[in-house]
Amino acid sequence: AQSVTQPDIHITVSEGASLELRCNYSYGATPYLFWYVQSPGQGLQLLLKYFSGDTLVQGIKGFEAEFKRSQSSFNLRKPSVHWSDAAEYFCAVVLLRNTDKLIFGTGTRLQVFP
Amino acid sequence: GAVVSQHPSWVICKSGTSVKIECRSLDFQATTMFWYRQFPKQSLMLMATSNEGSKATYEQGVEKDKFLINHASLTLSTLTVTSAHPEDSSFYICSARASSGQGFNEQFFGPGTRLTVL
Repeated sequence: AQSVTQPDIHITVSEGASLELRCNYSYGATPYLFWYVQSPGQGLQLLLKYFSGDTLVQGIKGFEAEFKRSQSSFNLRKPSVHWSDAAEYFCAVVLLRNTDKLIFGTGTRLQVFP
Repeated sequence: GAVVSQHPSWVICKSGTSVKIECRSLDFQATTMFWYRQFPKQSLMLMATSNEGSKATYEQGVEKDKFLINHASLTLSTLTVTSAHPEDSSFYICSARASSGQGFNEQFFGPGTRLTVL
């Protein structure tokens, strides 16, 4: 079935540690790929996106993501996590490139310990 | 820039009543607004897409008579949950898109509205 999968429901890391959040998609063609962050009381914020070109994408707040076509993955990384990064993270895709219809993964909740 | 607000941020209502949720783009004109529903510990599910001045397009399985969407201006869309029941309790999120030009146009999200139906 076509889907966006985030295998990790909940991740806990220590402040200053590195982070990788996984995202896989199962569609025939490469969709547009996105990572959003959702903090309590705030709207979803776009961290970064991939449409084409360089497979390593830099985003805001020190995040980056790498598109790997062979693995149908678009994992989000950050070398050193800050306590303020604690939030819910969603991977999303746009399947049809003439629409803006976002399909979201189930999300990964990140908890950061001091 | 690109701020989207929602009002109210939370609402509690009795079963059988109707509830209206507003979504406003504060500093840009939104030709298209989207309404999502998010259940606890689950993903956002698109309910409908509304274009200013035209009828909303609902996703499969979403009752258009239950979830009334109006997008009467370029800065305001409303979602009315009619005859609400406890199973309608959820977190409702809107997003707004500025342009309908070719290519992907970023959506900007509101902070959401928590609806609890007793």
